[in-house]
Amino acid sequence: DAGVTQSPTHLIKTRGQQVTLRCSPKSGHDTVSWYQQALGQGPQFIFQYYEEEERQRGNFPDRFSGHQFPNYSSELNVNALLLGDSALYLCASSTRRASLNSPLHFGNGTRLTVT
Amino acid sequence: GIQVEQSPPDLILQEGANSTLRCNFSDSVNNLQWFHQNPWGQLINLFYIPSGTKQNGRLSATTVATERYSLLYISSSQTTDSGVYFCAASYSSASKIIFGSGTRLSIRP
Repeated sequence: DAGVTQSPTHLIKTRGQQVTLRCSPKSGHDTVSWYQQALGQGPQFIFQYYEEEERQRGNFPDRFSGHQFPNYSSELNVNALLLGDSALYLCASSTRRASLNSPLHFGNGTRLTVT
Repeated sequence: GIQVEQSPPDLILQEGANSTLRCNFSDSVNNLQWFHQNPWGQLINLFYIPSGTKQNGRLSATTVATERYSLLYISSSQTTDSGVYFCAASYSSASKIIFGSGTRLSIRP
């Protein structure tokens, strides 16, 4: 049973560029959440997708956008990259159908460096 | 919104010691989880524990929802227990989950 998979594992971009990160949820999960973790800090919630719609959003600018596909996989897009966007980006999946409360399962993350 | 505070921020112990990590949260929650982040950044779910007590090997956790705190106990620490331990809370899995700032645990051989 595959867990949450993210790609790529590492990425280096230049200020002003755009980036797309990808996530496939754990088998049986239908909800995907994205988190940004800066060095030395806890993960910060970016947004959550369920049924191909953004359901919840944290305090992140519109430069951060996402998408969920019919197979529940998801993409995180960041436009006009800033140096401060350098971080570990984590994807987490859970199931919303079975219960309103279920544990989160995280992928290994994508480490984005903006130069 | 929910505030999550963890203590202590750092903990250095010798191998074999026991430890208690604390998580306080500001509001009633229905979703409380503990995670371990290893030195490579991987976040592993340790416990899903909105209330009560659970045990898994040398680790156990207790959440007292009415008093808004949760404790993670690690017994007979091993060097592989090193890393950052996060507590995360939300009203439900349908709402955003808020992480604490973590406890960095270092186990010395």
